[in-house]
Amino acid sequence: GAVVSQHPSWVICKSGTSVKIECRSLDFQATTMFWYRQFPKQSLMLMATSNEGSKATYEQGVEKDKFLINHASLTLSTLTVTSAHPEDSSFYICSASSSGTSYYGYTFGSGTRLTVV
Amino acid sequence: GDSVTQMEGPVTLSEEAFLTINCTYTATGYPSLFWYVQYPGEGLQLLLKATKADDKGSNKGFEATYRKETTSFHLEKGSVQVSDSAVYFCALGRMDSSYKLIFGSGTRLLVRP
Repeated sequence: GAVVSQHPSWVICKSGTSVKIECRSLDFQATTMFWYRQFPKQSLMLMATSNEGSKATYEQGVEKDKFLINHASLTLSTLTVTSAHPEDSSFYICSASSSGTSYYGYTFGSGTRLTVV
Repeated sequence: GDSVTQMEGPVTLSEEAFLTINCTYTATGYPSLFWYVQYPGEGLQLLLKATKADDKGSNKGFEATYRKETTSFHLEKGSVQVSDSAVYFCALGRMDSSYKLIFGSGTRLLVRP
């Protein structure tokens, strides 16, 4: 079946540095990718939606300049947390769809736990 | 706006026990409802879904019925196994242009032998 590989699975970084998270579709072409974050004991919150070759669409309240999303190819999307701060510590999850029109076909990555110290 | 509320975990059960994980939602109209499962070290997987009121989704022995009158979509299984230990997410979605999913906070299930 469809597989999405997300790396790294966990990362610790110093405050003020940038961190890049990769999301790769291994056996299908992902026309649409979604990025979520989850704080402890809270829901997964959609951060942004990206279509290959287009600028990402960010949800209200998500800082575009802080969370840079690149979806330059049909198999790779990256999320870069710039100038990370402790409040950015969270669990980040990507999902990919080959159809772009049905969430029945979404495949999720295993997530990245970011800790900013 | 739309929202999903799940019971907090962890839920700890002995093997072969009956499982219920409560999920309620707030939404206008008729959204679709889903249960996703995340096994340790893996991504979220769609477990089951229901697209209209009174629909029953089922998979791998799990069931959930779309109850509009109580705005609920509780997950049940008659006899859990150790291999069912995972985190379960209830989600709501709409078939509009964005196809966004709104998730509950997740419920961790631990099944002991």
